[in-house]
Amino acid sequence: ETGVTQTPRHLVMGMTNKKSLKCEQHLGHNAMYWYKQSAKKPLELMFVYNFKEQTENNSVPSRFSPECPNSSHLFLHLHTLQPEDSALYLCASSQDWSGGPQPQHFGDGTRLSIL
Amino acid sequence: EDKVVQSPLSLVVHEGDTVTLNCSYEVTNFRSLLWYKQEKKAPTFLFMLTSSGIEKKSGRLSSILDKKELFSILNITATQTGDSAIYLCAVDYGGSQGNLIFGKGTKLSVKP
Repeated sequence: ETGVTQTPRHLVMGMTNKKSLKCEQHLGHNAMYWYKQSAKKPLELMFVYNFKEQTENNSVPSRFSPECPNSSHLFLHLHTLQPEDSALYLCASSQDWSGGPQPQHFGDGTRLSIL
Repeated sequence: EDKVVQSPLSLVVHEGDTVTLNCSYEVTNFRSLLWYKQEKKAPTFLFMLTSSGIEKKSGRLSSILDKKELFSILNITATQTGDSAIYLCAVDYGGSQGNLIFGKGTKLSVKP
């Protein structure tokens, strides 16, 4: 149990579907992150939220839309995805960085397959 | 361009061996370097290094950072089969929060 819970664990969807990934952290953190992990590629940072405000969008296509309603919850809304978007999507959280660098703690991820 | 390079990409050893994993980096605004262990699921946090020359240790694992030469090593002594995993190195390259750039990882296999 990592303290960061992601649902669903697996998702198969067609290119025209709309779905959402959910992340919830129980660690009392203020910052949350979305990452993409593709086969044979490094983990790629997608979005960063700090105290519910988006602070980073790492040139992610608009078919990925994040939402952070509060510091404990993070969503990734998916629409009109492409086959190359098939990957493991990882959520992470950390304390905010006002006191210096903080380690990020990861969830188990959602394995997404686009048909 | 910011980058993190890990070596070797894969490694096979026998139980009891000692291994050293390498991570070199080039980033414009270094703040910290982190090591993670990833088995089948979530990467789990091992160490965060911010200062040169100060070894961090946890059981059989240890790590050190050299900010002059821009690299870090992760040592594992007396390896066990449970150490088999992908070890990820990440560097925070600035921004308002923890904007991490990851290496491709080193896949360690420990044979009985």
